Amino acid sequence: QLQLQESGPGLVKPSETLSLTCTVSGGSISSTTYYWGWIRQPPGKGLEWIGSIYYSGSTYYGPSLKSRVTISVDTSKNQFSLKLSSVTATDTAVYYCARRIWSGYPFDNWGQGTLVTVSS
Amino acid sequence: EIVLTQSPGTLSLSPGERATLSCRASQSVFATYLAWYQQKPGQAPRLLIYGASSRATGIPDRFSGSGSGTDFTLTISRLEPEDFAVYYCQQYDSSPALTFGGGTKVEIK
Repeated sequence: QLQLQESGPGLVKPSETLSLTCTVSGGSISSTTYYWGWIRQPPGKGLEWIGSIYYSGSTYYGPSLKSRVTISVDTSKNQFSLKLSSVTATDTAVYYCARRIWSGYPFDNWGQGTLVTVSS
Repeated sequence: EIVLTQSPGTLSLSPGERATLSCRASQSVFATYLAWYQQKPGQAPRLLIYGASSRATGIPDRFSGSGSGTDFTLTISRLEPEDFAVYYCQQYDSSPALTFGGGTKVEIK
């Protein structure tokens, strides 16, 4: 059974870069139809799609964060990563990684999420 | 970018009652690429419905989805205690920008 697990610092200082990794187990990140994504949820609020990556490295970013986001994939480690630069308190959220089995299907498998707090 | 508006914001119902949740899109959703998720406190969202009306694996048949174009509905025929949660719609149109609705909370009356 495919599982996803987010990891990274739970506390990031304002103006610094938030870095998270999603480790995929029980399956290959290199499947030719899978898309991998990051979604976040500020405390008490709704879901926001951050961006997605295909195993080949093609990336798609949401318009509101596009200028600050980089998503990459490391097939040798079966991982993909998120970097969000110049963070502020409004970037405090639970960050989820998730999988889509193909472009015409939604996120069907999610990590448990990790809370990242932006504070000095 | 397609904006999704969910209504109502909160639905207060009793177990056994029928729940009807609405999701309206700012423009037509390509090929009914519309999904519904359920989220309980402290948990990741769980996929319920994809393609506007197809149930995901393991989802009970009391959950059903309908709609096309810009208007979509999630119906829970008879609420079970475990169904009280927040529900989100999401469009995964062929355009790269995926969006979620703001959510509807189904609470116990």
